[in-house]
Amino acid sequence: DTAVSQTPKYLVTQMGNDKSIKCEQNLGHDTMYWYKQDSKKFLKIMFSYNNKELIINETVPNRFSPKSPDKAHLNLHINSLELGDSAVYFCASCCAASGQETQYFGPGTRLLVL
Amino acid sequence: AQKVTQAQTEISVVEKEDVTLDCVYETRDTTYYLFWYKQPPSGELVFLIRRNSFDEQNEISGRYSWNFQKSTSSFNFTITASQVVDSAVYFCALGEMDSSYKLIFGSGTRLLVRP
Repeated sequence: DTAVSQTPKYLVTQMGNDKSIKCEQNLGHDTMYWYKQDSKKFLKIMFSYNNKELIINETVPNRFSPKSPDKAHLNLHINSLELGDSAVYFCASCCAASGQETQYFGPGTRLLVL
Repeated sequence: AQKVTQAQTEISVVEKEDVTLDCVYETRDTTYYLFWYKQPPSGELVFLIRRNSFDEQNEISGRYSWNFQKSTSSFNFTITASQVVDSAVYFCALGEMDSSYKLIFGSGTRLLVRP
């Protein structure tokens, strides 16, 4: 009964390629997030969607485009991959109701750009 | 400005020792949440606790306890009688209502518990 799932778990690709990471949650949450964890373990917010609407867009290159087909899914598409995109990408979801503002994270997608 | 500081980069203890992980935060919001997450070597982020800004009551869960003090903007985490399985990176995080609760993470503290 995975709460937040991500696919793929590992992604190795060449510079310049386009790739997508998928995220799904079965918690009934309204809000989903993408975070990036760099090689020094630092975690930073990238995007957030609430009920399919983009509500947070940090200073992320426009090569990164999130897409939310419904509130249970938030995918991340990355164009023209660069070496610096190598990181672990975590999806998270939150909040079935007010007062329950805990974000639950997926297992992460380890992206390596060669 | 929103900021979370975990000044301890790495801590090493011997099993059964008590250890406290420090977390100091900065925020202008009056409504916010504080969190601790654990990241074991397997890499997932495991939720440990959430505290809201109106609840300064300390909490204990088994060997884990948390001390929230608004006066010093701190939310410290203590592990009592540490075990090898506690070895992980621990992250403190701040979520602000005015920022759609995006999490601002500290840089993490790597805890190594030696047998």
